Amino acid sequence: SQELEQSPQSLIVQEGKNLTINCTSSKTLYGLYWYKQKYGEGLIFLMMLQKGGEEKSHEKITAKLDEKKQQSSLHITASQPSHAGIYLCGADHNNAGNMLTFGGGTRLMVKP
Amino acid sequence: DGGITQSPKYLFRKEGQNVTLSCEQNLNHDAMYWYRQDPGQGLRLIYYSQIVNDFQKGDIAEGYSVSREKKESFPLTVTSAQKNPTAFYLCASRGRGSYNSPLHFGNGTRLTVT
Repeated sequence: SQELEQSPQSLIVQEGKNLTINCTSSKTLYGLYWYKQKYGEGLIFLMMLQKGGEEKSHEKITAKLDEKKQQSSLHITASQPSHAGIYLCGADHNNAGNMLTFGGGTRLMVKP
Repeated sequence: DGGITQSPKYLFRKEGQNVTLSCEQNLNHDAMYWYRQDPGQGLRLIYYSQIVNDFQKGDIAEGYSVSREKKESFPLTVTSAQKNPTAFYLCASRGRGSYNSPLHFGNGTRLTVT
């Protein structure tokens, strides 16, 4: 969706390195969701952010939503091969709860 | 355990044939969604339904049809009018009006049309 831009499109990092994936919206976000996808499989929910300035962490993954609620970042610390996959951000652009749009995804490879 | 079941996982069809993809959920969710994913791309919304017997077109509804006769089921038919049907199809659900809750996804159906 052009409403939600992800960068970079792909990323190759050495195991143990940190990395950041960005998700930018042209509109205010009512909810921002991060998912991980293994090739050929469904999406696994990682984290949800709603409030400006909100930050959540799970294991080595941290997601943040900026104060203006138009940009989010996903940061992985000390990457491992198990982190490899496609990361997608999804967003509610209204509070009706009807449509969730997605960014184009970031393909992450972690080299052992 | 509750979840979303999509079947079949792989589907092959000849050009010009209609094909129906199944999606069943036992999460008691009101809203259900169909997305299409092409290689190297994100998800694009085909159709969604927020309540039984009601559904709305998404961004790329042309060449597709859906029905929502039961809360648990939201089948997607890919018609012969869809010009480029080969893709990975994902079904999802969430509670009605729950803009503050994530979508739950099935494991997808990979459709190949030759």
